[in-house]
Amino acid sequence: DAGVTQSPTHLIKTRGQQVTLRCSPKSGHDTVSWYQQALGQGPQFIFQYYEEEERQRGNFPDRFSGHQFPNYSSELNVNALLLGDSALYLCASSLLSRQGPTRLMNTEAFFGQGTRLTVV
Amino acid sequence: LAKTTQPISMDSYEGQEVNITCSHNNIATNDYITWYQQFPSQGPRFIIQGYKTKVTNEVASLFIPADRKSSTLSLPRVSLSDTAVYYCLVGRSYNTDKLIFGTGTRLQVFP
Repeated sequence: DAGVTQSPTHLIKTRGQQVTLRCSPKSGHDTVSWYQQALGQGPQFIFQYYEEEERQRGNFPDRFSGHQFPNYSSELNVNALLLGDSALYLCASSLLSRQGPTRLMNTEAFFGQGTRLTVV
Repeated sequence: LAKTTQPISMDSYEGQEVNITCSHNNIATNDYITWYQQFPSQGPRFIIQGYKTKVTNEVASLFIPADRKSSTLSLPRVSLSDTAVYYCLVGRSYNTDKLIFGTGTRLQVFP
């Protein structure tokens, strides 16, 4: 059973360029969350995708966008790269289950190994 | 979400028991306490979760006092491979809408 897989593992981009990172969730999971982790810091929540829509978003500018495909895989896009975007980008998958008519709850999140993005 | 405070770093030797304490004074009634482990260049990995008293699994134990304003992650007989960053998170059980990580505790185990 494959866990969460991310590609590429490493990437170097130039300021102003655009980048796309990819994530395949753990088998059986339907929800993908993206995190940014700067050196020496804890991961920071970017956004979460469920049913091909952005379900929740953290405090990140619109340069950060995403997409989820029908097979639950996801992409993170960052436009107009800044030096400060250099970080480890982590993808986490989980399963969103219905707890009642209106309540959804996520199961435990599993993280991928991340993509190390360096902006020069 | 409740803010957590933990030591920035800790050192230990192989075979010793390591206890990492986390403070969460503003924990809500519905909040659980969850600990993650992260090795360099890898994503965080769930270790243990608890609500009150004591929880034990094959990896660690989690001690939570009655007032729940703090918690202690206990790693028995650590090895070099336990060198990692340990994060304490507070929130609803398994609710992964938005995991809030602090800077964590960097544990270094020496031979």
